[in-house]
Amino acid sequence: EPEVTQTPSHQVTQMGQEVILRCVPISNHLYFYWYRQILGQKVEFLVSFYNNEISEKSEIFDDQFSVERPDGSNFTLKIRSTKLEDSAMYFCASSGTGMGNQPQHFGDGTRLSIL
Amino acid sequence: AQKITQTQPGMFVQEKEAVTLDCTYDTSDPSYGLFWYKQPSSGEMIFLIYQGSYDQQNATEGRYSLNFQKARKSANLVISASQLGDSAMYFCAMREVTSGYSTLTFGKGTMLLVSP
Repeated sequence: EPEVTQTPSHQVTQMGQEVILRCVPISNHLYFYWYRQILGQKVEFLVSFYNNEISEKSEIFDDQFSVERPDGSNFTLKIRSTKLEDSAMYFCASSGTGMGNQPQHFGDGTRLSIL
Repeated sequence: AQKITQTQPGMFVQEKEAVTLDCTYDTSDPSYGLFWYKQPSSGEMIFLIYQGSYDQQNATEGRYSLNFQKARKSANLVISASQLGDSAMYFCAMREVTSGYSTLTFGKGTMLLVSP
């Protein structure tokens, strides 16, 4: 069964450094998302992406964050200058369409630890 | 106000028994979708089941079924014949479609522990 792939599984970074989290969505999916989950808390939406542009973003997704689809398969989340509070599990998800009945399929997540 | 409320922080069930995980939601959107995801201790998010606001019948997927009560705005997950591998965190989530949102809003989750 096709799946969303995220790399790395765990990233440790010094505060203030840039980090790029990578995702390969399911190949025929058109909608891509990033979510984060701070340890012990609920999953929070960051951004959705369609047709090479951001379609929605939350207030969490400030100027420190950016997303990109650099080629036909990868979807990346960049955090420009990491802060301690960026430590969380980051999930990439994709869906075939933007229709409400389509589930978003999640990757296994990247655990980001900021020191 | 919370969009998704899961009132049970933890639930215990014995193997082979059925268990119901509660979820209530709040929306003024007439068109929405409700989802349940499972998160094992390894951390991944696994899609389980979907219910649309216009669906006439309760959704079922194998041992999972959704008890959808629209007037009460509840979408409880029923797991029949629990297995040890069902021990995990379970999240209820909602998409509000006609408001133009493509995002999922999650509840805080319920930790399910299945004992032998």
